[in-house]
Formats: sequence, structure tokens, C-alpha cells
Amino acid sequence: NAGVTQTPKFRILKIGQSMTLQCAQDMNHNYMYWYRQDPGMGLKLIYYSVGAGITDKGEVPNGYNVSRSTTEDFPLRLELAAPSQTSVYFCASSLTGALDTEAFFGQGTRLTVV
Amino acid sequence: QKEVEQNSGPLSVPEGAIASLNCTYSDRGSQSFFWYRQYSGKSPELIMSIYSNGDKEDGRFTAQLNKASQYVSLLIRDSQPSDSATYLCAVKPPLFAGNNRKLIWGLGTSLAVNP
Repeated sequence: NAGVTQTPKFRILKIGQSMTLQCAQDMNHNYMYWYRQDPGMGLKLIYYSVGAGITDKGEVPNGYNVSRSTTEDFPLRLELAAPSQTSVYFCASSLTGALDTEAFFGQGTRLTVV
Repeated sequence: QKEVEQNSGPLSVPEGAIASLNCTYSDRGSQSFFWYRQYSGKSPELIMSIYSNGDKEDGRFTAQLNKASQYVSLLIRDSQPSDSATYLCAVKPPLFAGNNRKLIWGLGTSLAVNP
């Protein structure tokens, strides 16, 4: 059971380039999330999804896009990368919105925009 | 704006001591509370969850919840250097909040356990 898998682990982008961060989970979780974490800071929610075909904005969605065509996959697209998007990105999933939901995290993607 | 607040630390304790980490939240109707541990350069991992007032113990960890005072704490007994990490408090808003599909995160408290 792999859990939540993110790729790539590291990436350097030039300003203006685009890329997609991949996230896949094999736990049949309905809920998936994308967070970013800047050094010494907490987690900020970018986008989340409550099921295939349904996505919604979090706290900091500008400059990002997501899609959820399957239960397993939740890619995050960065268009026109900017230095402000330098961060560590975490994908997470949880089973449902029920009382005892915990979030399982991927290992993170460290992105640098230069 | 729903908030979860934690002291950023660093909290420094000697090995073998009790580390006490605190978290307050603003949404009175919140029902689910989680403590995650994050080692430097790693992803968060769940260590404790608590839903009812009182104490919940799991090994060296005890979570304490007081809904009337709107705080949740984490005690780590017999602290070890391997407990050195950032501890994140997360709170799930109530069902009637309209958007309880995501956790509200504190900024985390950095704990250093000194040998």
C-alpha cells in the first residue's frame, strides 16, 4: 500500500515556465488536498477536492489550477511560475468528511523558481 | 475567520522531561482535533486525535481537550531527542459551518529536546 505518492520530489523552474505536480493515492480516499508550506510557516491550502469531478479553492489558489478526473489522481498545475511560488508542496488525502478523518500526506515536492 | 493558534516556540526541554504543547481555536462548535508531528524536511504525520472533553493517552503522548475553554494540548512524557520536531495542531470545523471539508491548521510549535 503506497499511500499518497507525489512526483517529482525536487524541481527547479525558471520564471514563466509551467509544470504539473503529480499526486496519486491508492487508499480510495474521496478527499484530496494541495498545501504549500513556506519555511517556518504553517500549511496553506491551495485547492481541494471532495471527489472525482469536484474541486474548490482554498486560501491561496492564485497561480494554480487543479483537476480531479479520477478518485486516485489530483494533479496541481502551475502556470507562469513566479518566485513567490517557491515552496514545499504537499498533497494529502482523507477518507471522508466524517468525524474521525485524518489526513495522509505525500512526501512533498520542493519547488524553486529562479 | 476561523483560527487555530499555537506558540511558535521554540520550546526547549531536557531529555526525560514533560513537554507541554498548547493550541487554542476560535470556532466553538469544532468537534475534531488532531496533533501532527513534522520532522524537518518531512511531511506531517498524525500522532493523536481527540474528539471528547478530557484526556486521551497513547503511549508517551496525552492529548487533552477542553471545549468550554477552546483549547487542546499535547503532553509528551519522558521526552526524547527523537521527539524534536514541529507539532501542528489541526481542527475540523463543525458540520453546520458550511465548509467543514478541510482542516484549519495552526502554524506549529517547534520542540527541541536536549540530551
